[in-house]
Amino acid sequence: DTEVTQTPKHLVMGMTNKKSLKCEQHMGHRAMYWYKQKAKKPPELMFVYSYEKLSINESVPSRFSPECPNSSLLNLHLHALQPEDSALYLCASSQPLSSSYEQYFGPGTRLTVT
Amino acid sequence: AQKVTQAQTEISVVEKEDVTLDCVYETRDTTYYLFWYKQPPSGELVFLIRRNSFDEQNEISGRYSWNFQKSTSSFNFTITASQVVDSAVYFCALSEALFSFGNEKLTFGTGTRLTIIP
Repeated sequence: DTEVTQTPKHLVMGMTNKKSLKCEQHMGHRAMYWYKQKAKKPPELMFVYSYEKLSINESVPSRFSPECPNSSLLNLHLHALQPEDSALYLCASSQPLSSSYEQYFGPGTRLTVT
Repeated sequence: AQKVTQAQTEISVVEKEDVTLDCVYETRDTTYYLFWYKQPPSGELVFLIRRNSFDEQNEISGRYSWNFQKSTSSFNFTITASQVVDSAVYFCALSEALFSFGNEKLTFGTGTRLTIIP
């Protein structure tokens, strides 16, 4: 069973809606990630939080706004999205500066923007 | 720049056959890490293995084995006696900037879609 959970599993939203994706990890990891994955493509990194601070922003449009309320929670706030933002959004976590720092992924949220 | 190439876009084999997924990488770093992930139709990326650049030992885990060769910059993955449950997309990935805040940025290959035919 995955120790990274994501809600909701599926989300359909209009271009004027505001919604949030949530991610929670129970492994005590201090780095958390958001990825976007389009069909038949590899995941693309969006944001990285390390020790609750934003450390990497891969030039993501401002209609995506990440938030890390604490070390186990990661949110992605969505506003005024475009249809091309429809994708699978994956959350991951890892333990920085350890001997075992591979990223563990959640099941993803499948987002459709209409 | 880092780059990972998975030249095999799709592979189909009959159940119980062996299959090898190829991965070739490019990096200027002397210290780097390679990974394989499995993505079944459900969508979740499942971590399979990590290998660091200083450890060229091959690894076997059940029906899975990995062959790391620095001389050819390859990190190939073999499934022995394949099963239908092995059907998935497999991604090879390379990490960079490991020691910057301790997190890493993964460069993924384009993936290989493996179909095991019963």
